[in-house]
Amino acid sequence: GQQVMQIPQYQHVQEGEDFTTYCNSSTTLSNIQWYKQRPGGHPVFLIQLVKSGEVKKQKRLTFQFGEAKKNSSLHITATQTTDVGTYFCAGGTNRDDKIIFGKGTRLHILP
Amino acid sequence: DSGVTQTPKHLITATGQRVTLRCSPRSGDLSVYWYQQSLDQGLQFLIQYYNGEERAKGNILERFSAQQFPDLHSELNLSSLELGDSALYFCASSVGRGRGETQYFGPGTRLLVL
Repeated sequence: GQQVMQIPQYQHVQEGEDFTTYCNSSTTLSNIQWYKQRPGGHPVFLIQLVKSGEVKKQKRLTFQFGEAKKNSSLHITATQTTDVGTYFCAGGTNRDDKIIFGKGTRLHILP
Repeated sequence: DSGVTQTPKHLITATGQRVTLRCSPRSGDLSVYWYQQSLDQGLQFLIQYYNGEERAKGNILERFSAQQFPDLHSELNLSSLELGDSALYFCASSVGRGRGETQYFGPGTRLLVL
């Protein structure tokens, strides 16, 4: 079945360093969504990408959708302590209405 | 605050028991999703209901069942509970059938099976 793999599973960075998490699907996606879950909280929607090669920015966050629509990345520039949490990607296909979540990348910021 | 409510917040029960988790979607949202989150498995999609009918099914065990009522709230029933069912259960809602839609998550119900 369809799988969405996310790497790395954990990442520790010094405050001020950059961070990137990658998402890879075994099948072509119709769209990809990114969510952030703070420790002890619930997932919160960040953004959705639908077009091949699409790049979107939200302040220090840059999201990319691959040309083949099978991979995506989230890059955070100059991390801050407020960036701590787990970042999930979630992919949807044209086949059905399900979206499959990756297992997430847990970001820890070292002061 | 996402507008999605879940009750109870915490639940402690014993193996073999049955529990019901409740979710009220955001006003106007027709789809409700259920997810299970455990430490090593990330977010596992269980099931989706749209306007009262089952829309999509994920890795939901036969011991688990769900329904969506005419007022659009949903319940997830977990029976013959096992230790491994201990997890955080999230409900989410979206406006329509789900494809490409933002999902708004509730605060979750933390279930502990002893």
